[in-house]
Amino acid sequence: AQTVTQSQPEMSVQEAETVTLSCTYDTSESDYYLFWYKQPPSRQMILVIRQEAYKQQNATENRFSVNFQKAAKSFSLKISDSQLGDAAMYFCAYRSAIYQFYFGTGTSLTVIP
Amino acid sequence: KAGVTQTPRYLIKTRGQQVTLSCSPISGHRSVSWYQQTPGQGLQFLFEYFSETQRNKGNFPGRFSGRQFSNSRSEMNVSTLELGDSALYLCASSWSFGDYEQYFGPGTRLTVT
Repeated sequence: AQTVTQSQPEMSVQEAETVTLSCTYDTSESDYYLFWYKQPPSRQMILVIRQEAYKQQNATENRFSVNFQKAAKSFSLKISDSQLGDAAMYFCAYRSAIYQFYFGTGTSLTVIP
Repeated sequence: KAGVTQTPRYLIKTRGQQVTLSCSPISGHRSVSWYQQTPGQGLQFLFEYFSETQRNKGNFPGRFSGRQFSNSRSEMNVSTLELGDSALYLCASSWSFGDYEQYFGPGTRLTVT
């Protein structure tokens, strides 16, 4: 079975600075999707960014970008120019070839004004 | 367009009881997935329904069951509640089975005493 590991339960960043959240996964599949989801306090989980495993180019969405290392099975999220609204729980997720999602345990990000 | 709605938002039950949670997907979405979110485990996949049929199932005991109606609304039932079932139950909808883009509801917070 696939597993997703987020080794940083909590992270903090100064406003306007850059922070990187780590995620590793274990799989024997070659075709899959990876995601980062954001869950603000008491608000709904939303998709931040996704990466298709067959694409070598790292995905980017405005201030959010990923560093996808397929061989190392690593998928980190970089948030540039951090804003107060970025404070949330961030979940790394893997979608398998049979369409099952596996989530990490989350990283709680605090943004310091 | 209305988002994913879940009812009730909060629920308190005692051990041994059963509970039914409801999820209404975004209009037009035909696939509904259910997740259990706990602080230590992150999100764990329960099952996914599409066209009134369970298409995927996670590693949960048979006390957890679900169904989907012809209007794509879904219900999840947990029988013989245990203290460990206390969690936030999230549902997510997507256009079709296998669609990687899923939209989450606000969740139902279940407390078992």
